[in-house]
Amino acid sequence: SSELTQDPAVSVALGQTVRITCQGDSLRSYFGNWYQQKPGQAPVLVIYGKNNRPSGIPDRFSGSSSGNTASLTITGAQAEDEADYYCNSRDSSGNHVVFGGGTKLTVL
Amino acid sequence: QVHLVQSGAEVKKPGSSVRVSCKASGGTFSSYAISWVRQAPGQGLEWMGGIIPLFGTVNYAQKFQGRVTITADKSTITAYMELSSLRSEDTAVYYCAREQVADGYLDYWGQGTLVTVSS
Repeated sequence: SSELTQDPAVSVALGQTVRITCQGDSLRSYFGNWYQQKPGQAPVLVIYGKNNRPSGIPDRFSGSSSGNTASLTITGAQAEDEADYYCNSRDSSGNHVVFGGGTKLTVL
Repeated sequence: QVHLVQSGAEVKKPGSSVRVSCKASGGTFSSYAISWVRQAPGQGLEWMGGIIPLFGTVNYAQKFQGRVTITADKSTITAYMELSSLRSEDTAVYYCAREQVADGYLDYWGQGTLVTVSS
């Protein structure tokens, strides 16, 4: 079983704000990172570290954390944001990488 | 710009082994690892292990310990992932990715390699 827990599915109305969460003990020590994956494509890093966006990622994507929970917020969701989103971090030992189970985002 | 180019799709028999390569170019890997992540059909991402090419330091996920071997050629920055004793449940897309070791984020990904295990 994954050490990071995500809700399997979330939906948001077009143009509204949505938060996707990720829980796990390792998030008390390590930042959660976030990936977007569309069907048939490799994952794309959208948020890393405290709240950093790689080049080319729109600023409607942001990250935050509190305690054992990391969150990805999409402010003004667009149709093209419909995808699977995965969180990851190091595990509690710091030796390994772990992923959450993924959240399927539907934009209505 | 960093590019990771993986070897092509494979079809393997149960009980056999598969070796997937991942050639990196266009960036620095001195403080990075190359991780291997797989995704079974309709399933999530699963980290298998990683290697720091400069030092040859390897880490494996407990689930794959003893069945996976990750190596790297630091002169060409090419990583290899070999998975043995294949079974049908190993049918998946296998990705390599550059991993920032301190925070565990994977910033560049290969295109993926489909490995199909079928008799």
